[in-house]
Amino acid sequence: GAGVSQTPSNKVTEKGKYVELRCDPISGHTALYWYRQSLGQGPEFLIYFQGTGAADDSGLPNDRFFAVRPEGSVSTLKIQRTERGDSAVYLCASSLAGYDTQYFGPGTRLTVL
Amino acid sequence: GDSVTQMEGPVTLSEEAFLTINCTYTATGYPSLFWYVQYPGEGLQLLLKATKADDKGSNKGFEATYRKETTSFHLEKGSVQVSDSAVYFCALSIYTNAGKSTFGDGTTLTVKP
Repeated sequence: GAGVSQTPSNKVTEKGKYVELRCDPISGHTALYWYRQSLGQGPEFLIYFQGTGAADDSGLPNDRFFAVRPEGSVSTLKIQRTERGDSAVYLCASSLAGYDTQYFGPGTRLTVL
Repeated sequence: GDSVTQMEGPVTLSEEAFLTINCTYTATGYPSLFWYVQYPGEGLQLLLKATKADDKGSNKGFEATYRKETTSFHLEKGSVQVSDSAVYFCALSIYTNAGKSTFGDGTTLTVKP
């Protein structure tokens, strides 16, 4: 079956621009997670959805970051007024329910020039 | 807060050598513990997990035992292969945090023929 997919695989943008990163979870998975991975570090939690609602957004670094999951499936991570420090690989994971095994997508590499 | 500390890399071994990658953790609750692997050019994959003290997770010849008394979850393999070359991440999640995972910074393993 299809795994978690993320688009685009690479995104290059200029400082100050707006970007959207998309995640398609495994069909039927109710839980969805976003993580950010900087070079040489492990993934860092950003936000967790259970169904359509954000159950925990404590990892979002500031109000420039926002994520939605309007129909409980696809999720979009939105970053406003991008900064060079936002450059990282953004990972999405899904699980059957909260606290089940998480399956990760290949990530979107964001580069802010 | 919760944290995971991994042995710093990179680690370089000859084929058939014994592997240990150390992992220790601090947690505010009772965690489940995980090892993930990231092969070159691929996404994060769950390698093994353990959900309670003294449990041993195992997969593909890798093992790790949940040691509550030493707050450790060291990864071992008796005889590594070139194909085991990858980055290995130790992680934890707490049930009351609905599976939000905290990761170590990763250990890069290179196995030479």
